[in-house]
Formats: sequence, C-alpha cells, structure tokens
Amino acid sequence: QVQLVQSGAEVKRPGASVKVSCKASGYMFTSYYMHWVRQAPGQGLEWMGVINPSGGSTSYSRKYQGRVTMTRDTSRSTVYMELSSLRSEDTAVYYCARVYHSSEGEAFLDYWGQGTLVTVSS
Amino acid sequence: DIQMTQSPSSLSASVGDRVTITCRASQSISSSLNWYQQKPGKAPKLLIYVASSLQSGVPSRFSGSGSGTHFTLTISSLQPEDFATYSCQQSYSTPNTFGGGTKVEIK
Repeated sequence: QVQLVQSGAEVKRPGASVKVSCKASGYMFTSYYMHWVRQAPGQGLEWMGVINPSGGSTSYSRKYQGRVTMTRDTSRSTVYMELSSLRSEDTAVYYCARVYHSSEGEAFLDYWGQGTLVTVSS
Repeated sequence: DIQMTQSPSSLSASVGDRVTITCRASQSISSSLNWYQQKPGKAPKLLIYVASSLQSGVPSRFSGSGSGTHFTLTISSLQPEDFATYSCQQSYSTPNTFGGGTKVEIK
C-alpha cells in the first residue's frame, strides 16, 4: 500500500534552516510528482511547490522562491523540503503529498504524509 | 495566481442535514478542482477530483459539481464522521492554490 512517512517534529531558531524528509513506499517513486503543502496553526492549506522525483525538476510558489529547496534521493525513495531563513511565521505543519495525473491530464493529491510540525521560536 | 474563495468559512449543521459548500475561482479553471476533508490533527484526505469524480472509498453522500469558476461540494445527509474542515484546490495552474476552508460543526 502507498505510504508517505515524514520526519519528526523540529524546533528551530529564527534565521535557521529546516529540512523535512518524506519517504515513499508502495509504488514506483519516480512515476509520481510530489507536492509540499503547509498549514499554519488554525489556518488553511498553502501550496509551496512540487518536485518531479524522476528528473529532479522543481517549481516553487513565488512566496517561497529563494528560501525553499526541494530535492530527492531516488536510492532512498525520499524527497526533501528545505526552508531557510526561518521566521516565526513559518511555524506550521508541513505535508508532502503525491500527485496523481489522470489520462486526461488532470492532477490531484491522492496520498499525503502524516505531516511534520516545524516550530520557529527564539 | 488564481485565488480560490470558499463560503461559508464555517457552518453548524445537524446529523441528517444536507450541506452545500461553495468554492469560486478568480478565473476559469475548467474542471480542475479538487475537494479535501481534514480532521483535527490529521492530514487532508481526497474526496472529489476533477470537480465531480468521487475518490475510491468515499461515501456516495459526497458529491461535487461545477466548472469554470463556480463549484460546489454537497453532503446529502450529514453523518457524525463528516464533521471536519473541507478545502477546495485548483490544479489548473501553479501555484495550485487552496481555498480558505469550511469548518463543518455540530449544531
């Protein structure tokens, strides 16, 4: 069965960086893009970006451009999301989610990781 | 960026009620609209994709409709396990923006 297992909670100081991992299993890792979505406390879902695990290409939300880096390790079937220059507003739960592309070209997030809480506090 | 606006932001309803949630896009997104359900402390779960297709395993009391800029999610008869937050997402173009969410609470 498809599973996305994320790394554990992190506490970081303002200005630091955090790297969250998402290990995939139960399907061919390189066949499905992976999105990253975050959710601040009490807020809605916010799309951060997407990575193609096959070639490593990425597309980021303009909001995070310059601060976010998404990478993958195909030998470990794992994608990573690194966010730098952290500030208190980055306190949120970060999710990875697999993208399913239909034969008609539509896309939707069919499997999600359990989420990783990142707390930024001095 | 395409803005997604959900209404209402919250609602109170009773078990057995028919509930409708609306999502509007700032420009036409064809049928590239997905709905997710999220319970406290849990990851979102896909309910409806491509505006009206029911994800496998999702009860048939959930349905979606719409195209262009106006979409709706309907729960035909609200069940106790349906009390949650519902969010729409457009997959027409990146960034794949989400609506602000609708919290469905027990009346």
